[in-house]
Amino acid sequence: SQTIHQWPATLVQPVGSPLSLECTVEGTSNPNLYWYRQAAGRGLQLLFYSVGIGQISSEVPQNLSASRPQDRQFILSSKKLLLSDSGFYLCAWTVQRYQETQYFGPGTRLLVL
Amino acid sequence: AQSVSQHNHHVILSEAASLELGCNYSYGGTVNLFWYVQYPGQHLQLLLKYFSGDPLVKGIKGFEAEFIKSKFSFNLRKPSVQWSDTAEYFCAVKREYGNKLVFGAGTILRVKS
Repeated sequence: SQTIHQWPATLVQPVGSPLSLECTVEGTSNPNLYWYRQAAGRGLQLLFYSVGIGQISSEVPQNLSASRPQDRQFILSSKKLLLSDSGFYLCAWTVQRYQETQYFGPGTRLLVL
Repeated sequence: AQSVSQHNHHVILSEAASLELGCNYSYGGTVNLFWYVQYPGQHLQLLLKYFSGDPLVKGIKGFEAEFIKSKFSFNLRKPSVQWSDTAEYFCAVKREYGNKLVFGAGTILRVKS
């Protein structure tokens, strides 16, 4: 069966520091991968998605970037964190087929101080 | 652009009360519809989904949702809630051949025992 991992689970970082959050999927090949940010009262905002290695689509211009160096690995990065980057970051995957469901990882809670 | 509206941000019910959470979307084409649930301290998980066919969809834990195309709605229902249904519920919509889910802001349900 497929599983999705995210780490770290919690992260506290100072303003201006770099960020790297990792997401990996097991048990499937060539998934679509997604990064979301969840903010209280605002649901989930799609940040990036990828349909293949090196292919990244950005949904919201901001201080973050994403990369997909391997088929089942998706990384969310920042060179310099802002206070407003605090939040709960979720990775999701789906099979590249018609009428498929997105499945979510456990998330990373990021606090920028 | 697509948008999803969830009408109530906070709902408080007593056990055994009936539940209906509203969800409306704005997109004129064919859509896939989802309800996700996030129990306290747990992953976001799929409650039910609609792709095509019978507009009344049954999900896990006694939940159901009805797709009414003319009203652009996909309301979630449960005849009798339990304390364990306390969670945040998210409605999400995807264009039929699209890659991206658009989420509503979420509804926090608290069930009093």
